[in-house]
Amino acid sequence: AQTVTQSQPEMSVQEAETVTLSCTYDTSENNYYLFWYKQPPSRQMILVIRQEAYKQQNATENRFSVNFQKAAKSFSLKISDSQLGDTAMYFCAFIRARHNNDMRFGAGTRLTVKP
Amino acid sequence: DADVTQTPRNRITKTGKRIMLECSQTKGHDRMYWYRQDPGLGLRLIYYSFDVKDINKGEISDGYSVSRQAQAKFSLSLESAIPNQTALYFCATSDPTSGDYNEQFFGPGTRLTVL
Repeated sequence: AQTVTQSQPEMSVQEAETVTLSCTYDTSENNYYLFWYKQPPSRQMILVIRQEAYKQQNATENRFSVNFQKAAKSFSLKISDSQLGDTAMYFCAFIRARHNNDMRFGAGTRLTVKP
Repeated sequence: DADVTQTPRNRITKTGKRIMLECSQTKGHDRMYWYRQDPGLGLRLIYYSFDVKDINKGEISDGYSVSRQAQAKFSLSLESAIPNQTALYFCATSDPTSGDYNEQFFGPGTRLTVL
């Protein structure tokens, strides 16, 4: 079974600084996708960034980037120039390439951006 | 208008009552999912449906049932609600032919409290 682990239940960062959220996963699959979702107080699940396992290049979306280490099964999220609006719960998620039914989520990291 | 909607957004009920949570989507996706979110556990899959005639159990289906009334509608029922079903429930959709990384699109969630 695939498992996703987020070892940091809570984190905080000063506005304008950089923070990294950790995620590790366990799978025997070779083809899969990884995601980071943001859940603000509104409860909406918002896709932040995604990565295909066969792509070695790390994904980047504006201030958000990932460090994907396939051999180590690690998928961390870096948020640069943190903004107050980044305050949210962040979930790491994994899905196998041919099994669209089974997205696995980590327990989440609650990030607080302080002014 | 939102692509994936859920009703109700919040619901308080009593132990033993039958509850139905509804999900509608305008994305035209064939695949729909129901998840529950609990603190410290992330999101877990309850049921999923790949089309109107295909419904499958997920990781935690006990105590729940579903109905896929149409491509656009997927309902989750709690036949006899119990307090440990208090959680945040999400509906999601996906389109495996889109090539978008198996991305799932989430509704706004339903907060259910069972007293």
